[in-house]
Order: sequence, then structure tokens, then C-alpha cells
Amino acid sequence: DSGVTQTPKHLITATGQRVTLRCSPRSGDLSVYWYQQSLDQGLQFLIQYYNGEERAKGNILERFSAQQFPDLHSELNLSSLELGDSALYFCASSPSGGRSYNEQFFGPGTRLTVL
Amino acid sequence: AQKITQTQPGMFVQEKEAVTLDCTYDTSDQSYGLFWYKQPSSGEMIFLIYQGSYDEQNATEGRYSLNFQKARKSANLVISASQLGDSAMYFCAMRGGSNYKLTFGKGTLLTVNP
Repeated sequence: DSGVTQTPKHLITATGQRVTLRCSPRSGDLSVYWYQQSLDQGLQFLIQYYNGEERAKGNILERFSAQQFPDLHSELNLSSLELGDSALYFCASSPSGGRSYNEQFFGPGTRLTVL
Repeated sequence: AQKITQTQPGMFVQEKEAVTLDCTYDTSDQSYGLFWYKQPSSGEMIFLIYQGSYDEQNATEGRYSLNFQKARKSANLVISASQLGDSAMYFCAMRGGSNYKLTFGKGTLLTVNP
């Protein structure tokens, strides 16, 4: 158990819908990262937050957005869902968002299926 | 830009034998970190081992060791005394420079045979 929690574990929805994925980082970790794992794209970085501020952005679609709240939990919002958004979405946390190379602890993931 | 290449889509090993999973990387950063993660069929990502670019010694964590050859830009994972529970997908990843993200390779599916 990494200490990172993600809910829900599974999510099945229809095209055009909007969903919210939730992540609680390990106690004391200030950085939260979101990754998408799909069969065709592999594991891709989406976005990072550090202590409530957006720190880095990767291949995140405009239909997707995220935020980190004062209690440090984070939410990833996916809207106007398409079939290709079906994937495993991971949240990871690390103690520092600076130029350090600490391990990122991954949550169990949310498996999103868009029908 | 950073790139991780894992050239072995699948590997087979006999139980109790050692196995090496290949990883090469490309980066223009002077300072970077290399990681290996294990993803069993249940889906979670489990951290295995970390190597910093300035670390002079190869990292070891129990049965896992990282064979770091900086000039060749390779960071191979060696698993000694394979166990059936080692059957999983293994990902090499790196983080460097101003990038806070992890860049992952496509993974190697390891199967341990009894």
C-alpha cells in the first residue's frame, strides 16, 4: 500500500459525459501528479500540482482539467468523454515539487471505461 | 526531450534464475534520475529502484539491482533469483532537468516459469 488513495476504482460512463476522479496523496506529500495509461499511448504524464498550484503540464487535453485543494487532495475532471478516453488513470504523490528526484508513489488507479 | 526505450516486449525466465531487463534513455540533462516500476496484473504501480545520474555506485534493493552505464545511457534492471510473483510488466522511467514528470518506456512483460 503506497498510501495514495484514488476513488472510484472503476468508472463506466457514456460518451459525452463528465466524470471526476479523486486522489488523496500520502500524508505530508505536497506534489500530486496525474498519469494516463492506455493501450495505444502507454503511460503519459498529464499534469502536476504542488501545494495547490499547477506546476507542470503534459499531454493533457483541453477537455480535461485538474485542481489541488487546500487539504492537498486533487481532482481530475474529464468532460465531453470520447471512447478513446478509456484508460487507467493514476495519481502519484511525492514529498517535493522542486528539482529533486524523489520517488513518486502511485495510487491504485481509476479504470475509466467510456461506452 | 527525454526518451526511454525498452526493446524487449516480453521476457521469459525460469524460477530461481536471474534476468536482465533492458532500458536505454536519451536526455540532454546533466542531472536526472532513473526509476523502475513493476505493474502486476492487478494494475498498481510499484516502485522498485532508483538511480541518480551522479550516483557512483549501482543501486540495489534486495533482489533488484540497477546496472547503470552512463556512457552508454543504459539503466538495466537485474532481478536475481526470480520468483513466480515477479511475473508482471516492468517499466523504466526517468525524470530530469526542469521536468517534474516521469517519462516511461513501453514496458517489458516478464513471465517467470516454474
